[in-house]
Amino acid sequence: SQTIHQWPATLVQPVGSPLSLECTVEGTSNPNLYWYRQAAGRGLQLLFYSVGIGQISSEVPQNLSASRPQDRQFILSSKKLLLSDSGFYLCAWSVAGMGGWTDTQYFGPGTRLTVL
Amino acid sequence: QKEVEQNSGPLSVPEGAIASLNCTYSDRGSQSFFWYRQYSGKSPELIMFIYSNGDKEDGRFTAQLNKASQYVSLLIRDSQPSDSATYLCAVNSQFVRALTFGSGTRLQVQP
Repeated sequence: SQTIHQWPATLVQPVGSPLSLECTVEGTSNPNLYWYRQAAGRGLQLLFYSVGIGQISSEVPQNLSASRPQDRQFILSSKKLLLSDSGFYLCAWSVAGMGGWTDTQYFGPGTRLTVL
Repeated sequence: QKEVEQNSGPLSVPEGAIASLNCTYSDRGSQSFFWYRQYSGKSPELIMFIYSNGDKEDGRFTAQLNKASQYVSLLIRDSQPSDSATYLCAVNSQFVRALTFGSGTRLQVQP
């Protein structure tokens, strides 16, 4: 069965510090991978998605970046965090190549980031 | 920007009642529709999906889809206090390979 991991689970960082969040998926090959952010009491905002190694699509232009160095690894980074970067960061995966009919996404446990 | 709209709630129902959660979407090209449940402080978990107009039942849950009216709903029969959570509606997009989520409806089931 497929498993998705995220770490760290919680993180407190000062403004202006760098960020690296990691997500890995087990039990599947060539998944679509996603990063979402959920601010307190809000819905999910899509940040990045990737359909393959080195292929990253950005949905929100800001101080975050994403990379996919391996098939089942997705990394979210920032060089300098802002207060507004606080939130619940969720990684998700879906089966690749299924088109619009089946884009069922499965979420990891999330990373709660607080920027002070 | 394509949108998915949900009433934020809270929707309060007594234990054993039917909870009805609604969602409207704006992208007429959307083809797949999902309901996720999110407990406080946890990540969303998939409840069910629906692709075709009509009803789809899975245990105590029934999803209803009306593409002409662009709405999808979730019925929870025999609601339990453990059903208290935020329910997220999600819709696929013809523009990006990702789901667009509503802000969620908070459901409270009173014992």
